[in-house]
Amino acid sequence: AQSVTQLDSQVPVFEEAPVELRCNYSSSVSVYLFWYVQYPNQGLQLLLKYLSGSTLVESINGFEAEFNKSQTSFHLRKPSVHISDTAEYFCAVSGRLDGGSQGNLIFGKGTKLSVKP
Amino acid sequence: DTGVSQDPRHKITKRGQNVTFRCDPISEHNRLYWYRQTLGQGPEFLTYFQNEAQLEKSRLLSDRFSAERPKGSFSTLEIQRTEQGDSAMYLCASSFGLGERSTDTQYFGPGTRLTVL
Repeated sequence: AQSVTQLDSQVPVFEEAPVELRCNYSSSVSVYLFWYVQYPNQGLQLLLKYLSGSTLVESINGFEAEFNKSQTSFHLRKPSVHISDTAEYFCAVSGRLDGGSQGNLIFGKGTKLSVKP
Repeated sequence: DTGVSQDPRHKITKRGQNVTFRCDPISEHNRLYWYRQTLGQGPEFLTYFQNEAQLEKSRLLSDRFSAERPKGSFSTLEIQRTEQGDSAMYLCASSFGLGERSTDTQYFGPGTRLTVL
């Protein structure tokens, strides 16, 4: 069955430290990858996405993610986090996953990033 | 841009009652999705509309669930004879696209939190 695995449910880090949030997905003929962020008491917001082209994609607030087809991964990284990055981060894929539907996002369980001063 | 709105934000009901939720997508968006999110899980796809046509339903959408998008604008999700297992956050998302929808950016509303007592 198609799936997205976020290996860490919670990641506590200190401010200005680097962080990596891991995401792996089941193999597919074609796949598009997304990271969404949910700040406390707010809806999901798109952080960045990979559709094609350069395997390294960046967001406007300093996050980046790299699509690695051989490892079926799309890990999210930031070299120096801020208190304001505290949120829950969801990795998602769309596309035909092992016979599944196109277009519907399949989400991981989420990773709660907690940035401490 | 007013974003995707959902109403109500919270709903508490007794088991066996019917509930209806409303979603207003971003005005020019032709595609609309409903997802359900339970505690500790990522959102799970329920159903998809393109304009007024309901084109896809998940196996999660039992016969007690029905969704409509009568004029291709707002959408409603009704749950009949609610059960405690229906307690969840119900999310609506919308996007605009003319081709393959796998690449769409979906914009999410804040969700309706349903509690079934």
